[in-house]
Parts: sequence; C-alpha cells; structure tokens
Amino acid sequence: DAGVIQSPRHEVTEMGQEVTLRCKPISGHNSLFWYRQTMMRGLELLIYFNNNVPIDDSGMPEDRFSAKMPNASFSTLKIQPSEPRDSAVYFCASSPGRVSNTGELFFGEGSRLTVL
Amino acid sequence: SQQGEEDPQALSIQEGENATMNCSYKTSINNLQWYRQNSGRGLVHLILIRSNEREKHSGRLRVTLDTSKKSSSLLITASRAADTASYFCATPMNTGFQKLVFGTGTRLLVSP
Repeated sequence: DAGVIQSPRHEVTEMGQEVTLRCKPISGHNSLFWYRQTMMRGLELLIYFNNNVPIDDSGMPEDRFSAKMPNASFSTLKIQPSEPRDSAVYFCASSPGRVSNTGELFFGEGSRLTVL
Repeated sequence: SQQGEEDPQALSIQEGENATMNCSYKTSINNLQWYRQNSGRGLVHLILIRSNEREKHSGRLRVTLDTSKKSSSLLITASRAADTASYFCATPMNTGFQKLVFGTGTRLLVSP
C-alpha cells in the first residue's frame, strides 16, 4: 500500500496567490482529515470528511480556506488568497472510519507551504 | 483547542537510557493514542490504549493510562538514536467519528 499521498511536498508562493494542496487517501479508508501544523499552534484539525461528505469544518480558519472531496480517492485544500500567516505544514490523514473502530490515523508526509 | 498537553516539552537523554513522556487531557475518552513524528515527516501511529486498559506494551514502548487523573505516560526503554523524534498524544473528541485532537508534543533527543 502506498499510504496517504500528498502533493506538492513544498510550495512557495507570494501573498495573494491561490494555493491548492492535494491528497490521495489510502484505498478503502472512508474518513479523511486535513491538519495544519505550526510551531505556535501545534497540530490543528481543519476539516474532516466521512464518505466524501464534510462532517466538521469548524477548524477552517477563514473563508479563504476551502476543502473538497469529489470522490473517495481525492481531496483538495484550497487557500485563496493566501497570506504569510498561512505558512505551515499541511497534513492529510485517512482512517478506516467507524468500521475498524480503532481510531488510528494514517498521515501523509505533508505539504510545506511558504507564503512570502 | 488542544485536548492534550505533553510534558516535558523537550527531553534529552543518552542512548540506552529510558525516556518517559506524560500527557494530560481534559475530557472523558474512549481511547488515547501516541504518535511519533520524525523531523520533516508525517506522524506515525505508535500505540492505542483503550479507556478500560491501564497499561499496554509494544516492543520497547510501554503506555499507561489513568482515567481518574486524565493522564497517560509513554515510556521508551533502552532508547536509541533512531528514537529521536517528537511524540504526541491524541484523544478522540466525542463526535461519534474519529476526530482526533493532538497534544503539544514532546521533542526527544537521544544522543549516541
């Protein structure tokens, strides 16, 4: 199994530009999570999906952030327009969901975003 | 907001020594998990302990859980340089789904 795949691994952009981060969860997993990690705030849950449906987006910081999961094998996190304070590492994680009931998350390697 | 708080924030030991990290949490839980994060990498699940368990072992890892004190500890025995990483505890929020909230993490440095 290839694990959770995220792209790009690194992104450097200028303030005001649109940023799209991508995630392919592990096949068969029906829960998907987007986290953001910064030194100041640690790991923050932004949004999570179950069976492609957004369940809780209360962690999404602003309207500039949006996430979609058009199918079971793909999700995007978009920031438009980006700001320097959005600089962070963004992680995608997937989980088998309720079926296994273990709660274990499988993380991708992250997308490091730098907004200049 | 973070559910768990780890302590210490940083720990530096020599190879062969034991490392103990502690986690405190705020609300009732049905399980608590520990994850490891190597520098520049994603988090990796280490061990899960359920609320009806008091202790669990996995290789050189020993986890304890005290639900009355809302605390857990992770012990790594006979540490190795390869154990150098950040360690996080995580607890599920009571949403019916596996919404995990992570603590602040302990940075462990194991010197050869």
